[in-house]
Amino acid sequence: NAGVMQNPRHLVRRRGQEARLRCSPMKGHSHVYWYRQLPEEGLKFMVYLQKENIIDESGMPKERFSAEFPKEGPSILRIQQVVRGDSAAYFCASSPRGGNEQFFGPGTRLTVL
Amino acid sequence: GESVGLHLPTLSVQEGDNSIINCAYSNSASDYFIWYKQESGKGPQFIIDIRSNMDKRQGQRVTVLLNKTVKHLSLQIAATQPGDSAVYFCAENEGGANNLFFGTGTRLTVIP
Repeated sequence: NAGVMQNPRHLVRRRGQEARLRCSPMKGHSHVYWYRQLPEEGLKFMVYLQKENIIDESGMPKERFSAEFPKEGPSILRIQQVVRGDSAAYFCASSPRGGNEQFFGPGTRLTVL
Repeated sequence: GESVGLHLPTLSVQEGDNSIINCAYSNSASDYFIWYKQESGKGPQFIIDIRSNMDKRQGQRVTVLLNKTVKHLSLQIAATQPGDSAVYFCAENEGGANNLFFGTGTRLTVIP
């Protein structure tokens, strides 16, 4: 049973470009969470999705950030017009049920030049 | 706002000794707690969890203790090994909440 998969593992963007981060949950998991981690800090919740629905986006910036989890395919975290402050590791987690027992992917490390 | 925090940012132990990593939380409504291990360049790895109706839970070489009175959580690692070197995070969840709240983390270094 493959774990949570994320790609790309590393992403470099110039200021103003768009970043697209992908997450494939574990098999059988329909709940996906996105977290952001700055160096030497804990993970901060961004958004929680189920298939085709955003359940909770209270941790996601109102501007430039969006997320989706379509019926088919991976969940996508999209950051438009990236700025240097967006540089961070972005982790996806999945769960068979909401809230607890979240299993994390390896993360995507975004660097904005 | 409510937060989860750790007493010590770094901890160094000799190989073979026991390690204790502490965590304080402030949300008295939290009822589920998890310890994660994060190695450099990797995602958090689930270690052990505990619900608020328990005081203690044991896994393989690890024990989690929960003191709800003082809102304190600890992770004990027996016979610490070099492979245990990592950053350890506690995370909490308030019943029914959609997300986990993470502490800052403690960096454990095992000295051979």
